[in-house]
Amino acid sequence: DAKTTQPPSMDCAEGRAANLPCNHSTISGNEYVYWYRQIHSQGPQYIIHGLKNNETNEMASLIITEDRKSSTLILPHATLRDTAVYYCIVRKRSSGSARQLTFGSGTQLTVLP
Amino acid sequence: EAGVAQSPRYKIIEKRQSVAFWCNPISGHATLYWYQQILGQGPKLLIQFQNNGVVDDSQLPKDRFSAERLKGVDSTLKIQPAKLEDSAVYLCASSPDRVPYNEQFFGPGTRLTVL
Repeated sequence: DAKTTQPPSMDCAEGRAANLPCNHSTISGNEYVYWYRQIHSQGPQYIIHGLKNNETNEMASLIITEDRKSSTLILPHATLRDTAVYYCIVRKRSSGSARQLTFGSGTQLTVLP
Repeated sequence: EAGVAQSPRYKIIEKRQSVAFWCNPISGHATLYWYQQILGQGPKLLIQFQNNGVVDDSQLPKDRFSAERLKGVDSTLKIQPAKLEDSAVYLCASSPDRVPYNEQFFGPGTRLTVL
């Protein structure tokens, strides 16, 4: 799986959009971008994933650049409950062991009141 | 829908003792994972099961760690004997068989402290 690079920490004001960047310059054509987050003392939680088109769900939006070498997770109106470590993961579309998730260190997002 | 259950939530043992963790995945999920998360790091996969068979255990320290998934449902992860560096949160996750997309659902984890 391609390696990802994320800033170690970011702050965001409550009610504002949080934009979390991720670089994955070695991504290949059949690899998806996944985002998970981990709130303190909880297990990771799936947020969203995408291949090349922008995606949106009830939690967030995922913007993938045209060359697919980077992406941005957008939380449109951050709340204090969004304070968590956010992980960007690149993974092949397949079965068996290719379903594994390889977590990096992620970005600690702190939403400030 | 009930989530992934894990027990115990916390465990404190002394080095060289044994410990076991239990996981009950979401009903119907064929794939089960055990991860180790050391403080300040992301989770690291230890072992992956598909039903009751092992798909990948390449990162499991087999001299001291063992895991089983009897009948393809519940799973147990054991450490014997424990070392100080085994202090971590042990996370269990499960996922359904929806290729190509299968989100993983994580339990709350078991925090192990080895003294």
